[in-house]
Amino acid sequence: AQKVTQAQTEISVVEKEDVTLDCVYETRDTTYYLFWYKQPPSGELVFLIRRNSFDEQNEISGRYSWNFQKSTSSFNFTITASQVVDSAVYFCALIEDNYGQNFVFGPGTRLSVLP
Amino acid sequence: EAGVAQSPRYKIIEKRQSVAFWCNPISGHATLYWYQQILGQGPKLLIQFQNNGVVDDSQLPKDRFSAERLKGVDSTLKIQPAKLEDSAVYLCASSLDLGGGSKETQYFGPGTRLLVL
Repeated sequence: AQKVTQAQTEISVVEKEDVTLDCVYETRDTTYYLFWYKQPPSGELVFLIRRNSFDEQNEISGRYSWNFQKSTSSFNFTITASQVVDSAVYFCALIEDNYGQNFVFGPGTRLSVLP
Repeated sequence: EAGVAQSPRYKIIEKRQSVAFWCNPISGHATLYWYQQILGQGPKLLIQFQNNGVVDDSQLPKDRFSAERLKGVDSTLKIQPAKLEDSAVYLCASSLDLGGGSKETQYFGPGTRLLVL
């Protein structure tokens, strides 16, 4: 069965610090897709990234970067030089290609960036 | 491009009352999802539509929840009668359908915050 674990419930950092949010997943499928979403206080889930299981290249987008490691079933998210506007709950999600119909979300990590 | 629209944004009702939520997906998105997000948890899928047909409603409490997408565009989710434990954010999402069971990115609306007293 598919499962997503985000062990960090809450993280607080001071502005300009780097922070890494952990995501560990379980799947029986060989093809699957991983996602990160941001949920600011307004409530809307904002799509950040989609990665398929065959693409292990790390990705950088501005201050955001993602480290995908199949060997450890992890898809970690790093924010460099954090800003107050990064304060939100971040969700990691997984969907299997062959066995999964639906997204499975992790429990989320609440990030607070203090000025 | 307009995003997923939902209304109302907030709703307060008493237990045993009825409530309905509306969602309009991104134009051209054939697949529509309703999620329930309880405070402190990740979203949980309630029902998935492809065009006007139900793909998955296995986690929908059918004794009190119903949903429809009659013309394959916008959708309504109803709770009747509401219970205290239904207090949550109800999120609507949509995605493209590229065929072949493709797992496309879901785009979410702002959600409806429901409080049942």
